[in-house]
Amino acid sequence: AQKITQTQPGMFVQEKEAVTLDCTYDTSDQSYGLFWYKQPSSGEMIFLIYQGSYDEQNATEGRYSLNFQKARKSANLVISASQLGDSAMYFCAMREPLQTGANNLFFGTGTRLTVIP
Amino acid sequence: DTGVSQNPRHKITKRGQNVTFRCDPISEHNRLYWYRQTLGQGPEFLTYFQNEAQLEKSRLLSDRFSAERPKGSFSTLEIQRTEQGDSAMYLCASSRGGASETQYFGPGTRLLVL
Repeated sequence: AQKITQTQPGMFVQEKEAVTLDCTYDTSDQSYGLFWYKQPSSGEMIFLIYQGSYDEQNATEGRYSLNFQKARKSANLVISASQLGDSAMYFCAMREPLQTGANNLFFGTGTRLTVIP
Repeated sequence: DTGVSQNPRHKITKRGQNVTFRCDPISEHNRLYWYRQTLGQGPEFLTYFQNEAQLEKSRLLSDRFSAERPKGSFSTLEIQRTEQGDSAMYLCASSRGGASETQYFGPGTRLLVL
């Protein structure tokens, strides 16, 4: 069974500083995908970044990068130059194949990030 | 892309009433998912459509829940005889599939059952 663990219920970061949000996962599959989503108080889940298990390089998208350590089964999100608008819940998720070929997303419990001015 | 839209954004109902939510996916996306998110948790998978066919249903989807996607465009999720335990955020996501499938979510419908 798939499992995602986010051990930080809440994190604080000073504006313009970098912050790392932790995510570990557990799977017996060789092929899998890992995602990070941002959920502001409005409720919408906003896709941030994706890392495939066979990708050799860490994914980057603007100020977001994913520190992928396959042997340790960790996929930490790094946000550089934090902005006030980054304050939100952040969810790590793993793609879980369904029998019909589609993919369920299995989410962790999230980390609430607060950016301090 | 105009994004995934959901209506209504909020719904308050009394226990025992029926409610229906609508999701309009990104136009070229053939896959549509419904998730439920309770307080303090990440979203949990409910059901999946490939075009108009409902191909997967979670055990979370009791017989009081029904979902449709007529003509493979918008989708509706109906809850009959609502219970207080149904109070949650209901999220819809769509994708075009592929090896690195990315699901794009709507703003959700927040349901409160009194």
